[in-house]
Amino acid sequence: DAGITQSPRHKVTETGTPVTLRCHQTENHRYMYWYRQDPGHGLRLIHYSYGVKDTDKGEVSDGYSVSRSKTEDFLLTLESATSSQTSVYFCAIGREHGYTFGSGTRLTVV
Amino acid sequence: TQLLEQSPQFLSIQEGENLTVYCNSSSVFSSLQWYRQEPGEGPVLLVTVVTGGEVKKLKRLTFQFGDARKDSSLHITAAQPGDTGLYLCAGPVSGNTPLVFGKGTRLSVIA
Repeated sequence: DAGITQSPRHKVTETGTPVTLRCHQTENHRYMYWYRQDPGHGLRLIHYSYGVKDTDKGEVSDGYSVSRSKTEDFLLTLESATSSQTSVYFCAIGREHGYTFGSGTRLTVV
Repeated sequence: TQLLEQSPQFLSIQEGENLTVYCNSSSVFSSLQWYRQEPGEGPVLLVTVVTGGEVKKLKRLTFQFGDARKDSSLHITAAQPGDTGLYLCAGPVSGNTPLVFGKGTRLSVIA
């Protein structure tokens, strides 16, 4: 299995605080993705990266930013967390024929 | 607008029964994938279908890609409690674009 880890696994934060989620891969894969999963909505793409310092927006990018300074790390930042960002966040690597996902980060904004 | 529609949303069956779940779209996909997700974990890729009309088998699971590449189905024979989970279909809208996902079918197999 591909080595992809997310941290933290769980986080509770207060409205208005900044939060950074980390995705780390050991597969040297060029493409990385951040999705959020919510009941009734399924998995929705937030941002993705196609190389170091190369990123693009997804369907639900408002309120989120990303950075990729190294191939192995893809960071997702909520600049000022809101309750609507309470969700489970998944990182993935791969191309059009299949992704490998991390185990997710459950984020609660109170 | 949901590009990939999955049905049914929920399915609860007895061990040993057969079932089929569906993934439909009005758009043509170059490929479609099926994933299974268990509670507290990320989705795990089961199969990718690429050619219209293609059928792939994975033990008791049979996957089919529609001839027009707009739909796919997953058939499970003699379901077991270990098949319980959320089944997701996904595909690239075009070329190498990131995957879009259906909302999933939540399957519960009761012993």
